[in-house]
Amino acid sequence: NAGVMQNPRHLVRRRGQEARLRCSPMKGHSHVYWYRQLPEEGLKFMVYLQKENIIDESGMPKERFSAEFPKEGPSILRIQQVVRGDSAAYFCASSPLGDKSVYSGNTIYFGEGSWLTVV
Amino acid sequence: KNEVEQSPQNLTAQEGEFITINCSYSVGISALHWLQQHPGGGIVSLFMLSSGKKKHGRLIATINIQEKHSSLHITASHPRDSAVYICAAWGPTGNQFYFGTGTSLTVIP
Repeated sequence: NAGVMQNPRHLVRRRGQEARLRCSPMKGHSHVYWYRQLPEEGLKFMVYLQKENIIDESGMPKERFSAEFPKEGPSILRIQQVVRGDSAAYFCASSPLGDKSVYSGNTIYFGEGSWLTVV
Repeated sequence: KNEVEQSPQNLTAQEGEFITINCSYSVGISALHWLQQHPGGGIVSLFMLSSGKKKHGRLIATINIQEKHSSLHITASHPRDSAVYICAAWGPTGNQFYFGTGTSLTVIP
């Protein structure tokens, strides 16, 4: 059973370009979370998605950032018109049952991250 | 003020030493995770706790819900334990984590 797969692992974009980061959750997991880790800072929640639904996007910047988790295919975090401040590691995590999984003792699984560098 | 505070920020230990990393949180939580992140690498969830104590090999995690405090202990530390350890509180609605800023551990042979 493959873990959470993120790609690309490393992405370089020029200012103004678009960045697309993909996350394939573990098999059987329908809940996906995106987190951002800025240089020298801790992880910050961005968005929580279920298939075809955004459940909580309170951590997403209001402009240029969007996320989706379609019925088929990976979850995608899209950053339009990237700026240098977007340079960070973006981590995806998945769980099988969302918040219910916490109470049932199941845990959350992280991907290895996508490192975005804006030049 | 961060919802989750960790200490120490940096820690250097000799191989074999007993290590403790502390985490205090101010939010209501449904569970607390200890995560491990190696340099340039991904994140692994070591423990999920909602009460008491858990042990896995040389790692022990404890949580005191009343005091809103958790500790991660590493017994007989080894250079391969060198990593950043992150405390993450899973919020009451279960939607998101509140992360500590991490403790960077270096174990010297």
